[in-house]
Amino acid sequence: TAGITQAPTSQILAAGRSMTLRCTQDMRHNAMYWYRQDLGLGLRLIHYSNTAGTTGKGEVPDGYSVSRANTDDFPLTLASAVPSQTSVYFCASSATTGGGYTFGSGTRLTVV
Amino acid sequence: DQQVKQNSPSLSVQEGRISILNCDYTNSMFDYFLWYKKYPAEGPTFLISISSIKDKNEDGRFTVFLNKSAKHLSLHIVPSQPGDSAVYFCAASRLGAGTASKLTFGTGTRLQVTL
Repeated sequence: TAGITQAPTSQILAAGRSMTLRCTQDMRHNAMYWYRQDLGLGLRLIHYSNTAGTTGKGEVPDGYSVSRANTDDFPLTLASAVPSQTSVYFCASSATTGGGYTFGSGTRLTVV
Repeated sequence: DQQVKQNSPSLSVQEGRISILNCDYTNSMFDYFLWYKKYPAEGPTFLISISSIKDKNEDGRFTVFLNKSAKHLSLHIVPSQPGDSAVYFCAASRLGAGTASKLTFGTGTRLQVTL
């Protein structure tokens, strides 16, 4: 089934440790995004990428980094996790010309 | 500063009746609006959208209305079904040629359709 694959599904991470959340799409969409979902705050954009080789900061980029080496993959890295990064993380993609996103199923991250 | 607001965290509607979910926005530069539906432990899925050049878009049981002067949009679901029970997110974007359509989301409204 075409779409977005995120891994892992869930993770418990000790504060101060690093972690990379993986995201792969097979729709050849140019644009990809990382959002975090928190209760009462909705979905907030962390980083995005218009096309392979480019990235940009979203609303809440601090503490996160991304790379876009190719069209399909858009990993999100937490260099030194803090408890406030406990959240559900969603990766999404879209055709550059606009329209709706396709979302992955999410990664539930707990930083303790 | 919440540019897209969903002021009702939850809504309960009887099966067969109309569900009306509301959304307000503050950024007049937004020109494309979408609704997403989210079930627990799943990613949001696209439901329906509307361009700012229109005031209504209909798709089956789902209709989105846009009032640009009031910076308000609403999603109508009629008739409501138990499978519609989910969290609904309103989202808005500024379309730009050749650029990613970054979406700004509201905080969501949990709809419960009761029997």
